[in-house]
Amino acid sequence: QVQLQESGPGLVKPSETLSLTCSVSGGSMNSFYWSWIRQPPGKELEWIGYIFYSGSTKYNPSLKSRVTISLDTSKNQFSLKLTSVTAADTAVYYCTRGTMTTVAFHVWGRGTLVTVSA
Amino acid sequence: DIQMTQSPSTLSASVGETVTITCRASQSIGFWLAWYQQKPGQAPNLLIYKASALETGVPSRFSGSGSGTEFTLTISSLQPDDFAIYYCQQYNTYFTWTFGQGTRVEFK
Repeated sequence: QVQLQESGPGLVKPSETLSLTCSVSGGSMNSFYWSWIRQPPGKELEWIGYIFYSGSTKYNPSLKSRVTISLDTSKNQFSLKLTSVTAADTAVYYCTRGTMTTVAFHVWGRGTLVTVSA
Repeated sequence: DIQMTQSPSTLSASVGETVTITCRASQSIGFWLAWYQQKPGQAPNLLIYKASALETGVPSRFSGSGSGTEFTLTISSLQPDDFAIYYCQQYNTYFTWTFGQGTRVEFK
């Protein structure tokens, strides 16, 4: 059974870059799309972007100028970089797996809290 | 942008009741709608995709319906494990996803 695990710093300073990695175990990365979703404390979910196993990407227009998602199939990992962070970027960040036939997020990591603070 | 509006924001119910949550899209999304359940401190869990398809392993008391702009999630015979927050999620032809603001199902 496929499992996802987020990793990265839990504290980032304002104006710096948030970097997270999602490690995929128990399955191949082929034929799926891999997304990042975040949830500020007490608020709703926000889709950040995805990368398809082929390497094509799509980002939330509201974050597009600051987001990069990359894929390393040899390591079974994909990553998120979010530049110029502010306190508004404080959230639990989830990595997820979906399929284009259902366009839903079937598998989720447990999430990691990233706090933006000096 | 397509906006998703869930109602109610909070729902009080008792074990055994049938509850319904509604999600409305600001424009037609066909049947590209999913429902998730989230418990405190946990990641969301997919319940329904393509408006009415039950995810593997999800109890049959959960059901979804609708198309176009109006969708519903129904929980038949509410169980103690069902008290949680429920989110709808839409996918549109611009290849982006949006979530609703959530509905909290609490014990009456």
